[in-house]
Amino acid sequence: EAGVTQSPTHLIKTRGQQATLRCSPISGHTSVYWYQQALGLGLQFLLWYDEGEERNRGNFPPRFSGRQFPNYSSELNVNALELEDSALYLCASSPGTGRFPGELFFGEGSRLTVL
Amino acid sequence: GQQLNQSPQSMFIQEGEDVSMNCTSSSIFNTWLWYKQDPGEGPVLLIALYKAGELTSNGRLTAQFGITRKDSFLNISASIPSDVGIYFCAGSLYNNNDMRFGAGTRLTVKP
Repeated sequence: EAGVTQSPTHLIKTRGQQATLRCSPISGHTSVYWYQQALGLGLQFLLWYDEGEERNRGNFPPRFSGRQFPNYSSELNVNALELEDSALYLCASSPGTGRFPGELFFGEGSRLTVL
Repeated sequence: GQQLNQSPQSMFIQEGEDVSMNCTSSSIFNTWLWYKQDPGEGPVLLIALYKAGELTSNGRLTAQFGITRKDSFLNISASIPSDVGIYFCAGSLYNNNDMRFGAGTRLTVKP
């Protein structure tokens, strides 16, 4: 069974541009999470989607947005990129609310570099 | 939002030594989990705890869900070189999937 897949693996952008990152959850999983991991730091919660709806978002500005598609895949968009947006963006999936809460399965991440 | 304080930030130990790390929160959690991240990869779940006071083992790893619901610890016995990585605690409220992570403990094991 395929795990969580993320694309692209690496992305280089310049300040002010927009970045789009994509995530495909494990088959059968309905919840998708996005986390930002800046170099040497922990995981900062960005967004949580379940059944196509945004359930919660972390303390990030509105230029971080996303969506979940009917097939449960997800997209993270970062507008007006700033240098401090450079980080590893991790996507995780889980079976859904109320089922084995907290057991997240992570992808390998998309490394975004903003120059 | 709820804060998770994880300590120590980093550890340098000799192969064969035991390791202990912990996580505390200002909020009560209903779920505590421990993840490990190897270089260049996403975190992988090690142990999940769902009841206050629960003590769970997974091979050389042992974790406990604190009675107060505000803390958890992870012990690794007889460390080996492949234990190297970043260990994260994570917790959630209200038995749902809104997970928050600690800042991580970076473990280095010297052969």
